[in-house]
Formats: sequence, C-alpha cells, structure tokens
Amino acid sequence: AQSVAQPEDQVNVAEGNPLTVKCTYSVSGNPYLFWYVQYPNRGLQFLLKYITGDNLVKGSYGFEAEFNKSQTSFHLKKPSALVSDSALYFCAVRERNTGGFKTIFGAGTRLFVKA
Amino acid sequence: NAGVTQTPKFRILKIGQSMTLQCTQDMNHNYMYWYRQDPGMGLKLIYYSVGAGITDKGEVPNGYNVSRSTTEDFPLRLELAAPSQTSVYFCASSYPQDTDTQYFGPGTRLTVL
Repeated sequence: AQSVAQPEDQVNVAEGNPLTVKCTYSVSGNPYLFWYVQYPNRGLQFLLKYITGDNLVKGSYGFEAEFNKSQTSFHLKKPSALVSDSALYFCAVRERNTGGFKTIFGAGTRLFVKA
Repeated sequence: NAGVTQTPKFRILKIGQSMTLQCTQDMNHNYMYWYRQDPGMGLKLIYYSVGAGITDKGEVPNGYNVSRSTTEDFPLRLELAAPSQTSVYFCASSYPQDTDTQYFGPGTRLTVL
C-alpha cells in the first residue's frame, strides 16, 4: 500500500532564511510525487510535481523539491522564505501507471515565516 | 474562468438531516473528485468521476452519494448526517491527460451537531 508522511506538523523560519518542508513516501513501484499549498480558507493549489527525469523539480513561487530515491524522500525547499509563504503544505504520492484518483495526501505541514 | 466553485461555504446540520454540496467547474475537465479534510489528516477521497454518467467510490464513500449528469457539475449528497461527517469538503477537477494537476475549489465547512 502506498503512503506518505510529513514528519513535522509545523515549521518555523525567519524571513530571508532557507526553508525545508520534509516528506517521505512509500509505494510499491515508481512514484509520482507532488506538493500542494493551501492558504487560509482556500482550496489546495498545485505547486510542483516529480514524474521522471531530473531529481530537482522547480515549481511555482520559487519553490523546488528534490526527489531522493534511496531515502524515499521528496523535500520541499526554497532558498529565501517570504512571510507570504506562510501556509499549509501537502505532499502527495501515487504509483506510476495509476490514475489521479489514486493520489494519497500527507497530513500537511504548517509553515510559519516570521518577519 | 471561475475555475472550481463550491456552495455553500459553511453549513450546520442536525443529526439525520440531509443536504447536497454543490460543485461546478468551467474548465471542461472530465475528471472530478470529492475529498474531505479532517484536522491533522490528509485529504481523503470520497468519490470521483471520470466523465458524465460515470462515478466511482474512493477511500471513504460510506454515508455519501454522488451523481454526474453533466461535465460541469458533480454534487455530493449526504443523506443522514452524522457527527463523523463534520469536516471540510473539497471538490477538485483535472484533465484526463494530466490527472496529477488537480484544481481545487475553496471548500465547504460542514458541522453536524
């Protein structure tokens, strides 16, 4: 069975500092991996995805994520955090060759960026 | 485009009441989904549809029903509301060629007392 874990409920970082939001996954075969962001009282917004190819994926708003197969991780990163990055971040996974309806979402990590 | 719209935004139900959560998308997406989001939990898929007239159960379908008479609309029906159905409900849609990029509505916050 596939699963995804976000080990931190909350991440605090000062504005201008680099940020990392962690995600690890478990699937039977090759994974497709995603990050979504949720701002208060809004639905989730797609940030980026890893399908195949380069392990470093760049997405919206200056975010990037690195796929590490040996560590089964897909951590979200940004070189310099902004206060406006404060939101709830969800990692998601599904096994290759399955449909989008097989996507499993993590519990979410709340990011606080302090001015 | 308005994207994915959901109504109502908030609703309080009494145990045993019924209601329909509305979802409409104007992007001509074939695929539509209903999720629930409970505190500290990831999204759980309730039902999904790959096109008009076709629906299927997700991970947590019990207590819910759906229909898909048009490409645009995907209503979610609660027949006998229970406190366990207190949650935030999100509708989403996607292209069949790219089911991984899902577009979410703003959500409906439902409380069952």
